[in-house]
Amino acid sequence: AQSVSQHNHHVILSEAASLELGCNYSYGGTVNLFWYVQYPGQHLQLLLKYFSGDPLVKGIKGFEAEFIKSKFSFNLRKPSVQWSDTAEYFCAVNAGSNDKIIFGKGTRLHILP
Amino acid sequence: DTAVSQTPKYLVTQMGNDKSIKCEQNLGHDTMYWYKQDSKKFLKIMFSYNNKELIINETVPNRFSPKSPDKAHLNLHINSLELGDSAVYFCASSHQLPPETQYFGPGTRLLVL
Repeated sequence: AQSVSQHNHHVILSEAASLELGCNYSYGGTVNLFWYVQYPGQHLQLLLKYFSGDPLVKGIKGFEAEFIKSKFSFNLRKPSVQWSDTAEYFCAVNAGSNDKIIFGKGTRLHILP
Repeated sequence: DTAVSQTPKYLVTQMGNDKSIKCEQNLGHDTMYWYKQDSKKFLKIMFSYNNKELIINETVPNRFSPKSPDKAHLNLHINSLELGDSAVYFCASSHQLPPETQYFGPGTRLLVL
């Protein structure tokens, strides 16, 4: 069965620091990968996604993620975070032949002004 | 315009009661979902419907019954509420089945006393 692991449960950074949130999945076949974000008091929204092609995917608000097939990873990065990036970040995976998306447990990111 | 809306936003009720949560999307999507987010922020799929047809029923107790009167609505009825049902319930929709991007509602925070 497919699963998603986010190893960082709570990350605290200062503004302008660089960010990398880890995401690993368990499925050997074709996968579609997502990062969703939930800002305080708001609903989840898509940050970026990978279906195929260039493994380095750029999303909104300066975020990017790199798909490394050999490591079963899809880590989220941002070179310089802002206070407004404070949110909960969810990695998600859809196995190519499956009708559902499996979400990780989320990483709470707190940016200090 | 709200893309995916849910009512009510908050629901506080006693154990044993029956309650419903409504969801509507105005995006013209064919697929709708219900997710449960527990106290640890773990987001888990409960049901998905495509063109009013049940696609996924993820081992949810049969006290939970989704109903899709049309493609734009997916309601969730819960019978005999239990303490463990306390959670945030998110409705979502997508153009088609995964891996299409999902658009989430604001969530319904259910507290069972």
